[in-house]
Amino acid sequence: DGGITQSPKYLFRKEGQNVTLSCEQNLNHDAMYWYRQDPGQGLRLIYYSQIVNDFQKGDIAEGYSVSREKKESFPLTVTSAQKNPTAFYLCASSTSRQDTQYFGPGTRLTVL
Amino acid sequence: GQQVMQIPQYQHVQEGEDFTTYCNSSTTLSNIQWYKQRPGGHPVFLIQLVKSGEVKKQKRLTFQFGEAKKNSSLHITATQTTDVGTYFCAGPSSGYALNFGKGTSLLVTP
Repeated sequence: DGGITQSPKYLFRKEGQNVTLSCEQNLNHDAMYWYRQDPGQGLRLIYYSQIVNDFQKGDIAEGYSVSREKKESFPLTVTSAQKNPTAFYLCASSTSRQDTQYFGPGTRLTVL
Repeated sequence: GQQVMQIPQYQHVQEGEDFTTYCNSSTTLSNIQWYKQRPGGHPVFLIQLVKSGEVKKQKRLTFQFGEAKKNSSLHITATQTTDVGTYFCAGPSSGYALNFGKGTSLLVTP
């Protein structure tokens, strides 16, 4: 069963803690993306990766970090430097950049 | 920079009424994509338009791409409660990925 998985669905963390969100795909896609969604703000791109061991900052990369050590995996770390981390985080993938994107179910992060 | 603007931001209709959302780009687009996100869910790809003036239909949904390839619309005929959600358009970015519009949230009252 192909697709994108994100875990966990809900995540709670205390302020000042780093947290890593998981994203795995078995679609054999080269490109992967992380978006942040806040009410009324649409989808804002955090980071994207076109190929293994390479990634670029999106529009709101400050306070976030990523890695792309395997084609299937693109974890996102929300660091303590992110001033307002509570949001819905979506991971997506596509065969190449600008192609149709397939989204995971998302992780809803709440920082207390 | 390249922008994709969507209007309206919200639309509330009675079941059976029609609905239209519009997408406008500041630059010519090679293609435009439409996605739907149900409440609590994730965006799901609906369709891609490539040709100038292209019109595609999916049951009660009609998608159009403008002649100048700078605007697009999604029209839903006779809305149903299952149409509830946020509809996003997205166009290729000159930089790296896709530029998503902020979306139009549709609420359908029975």
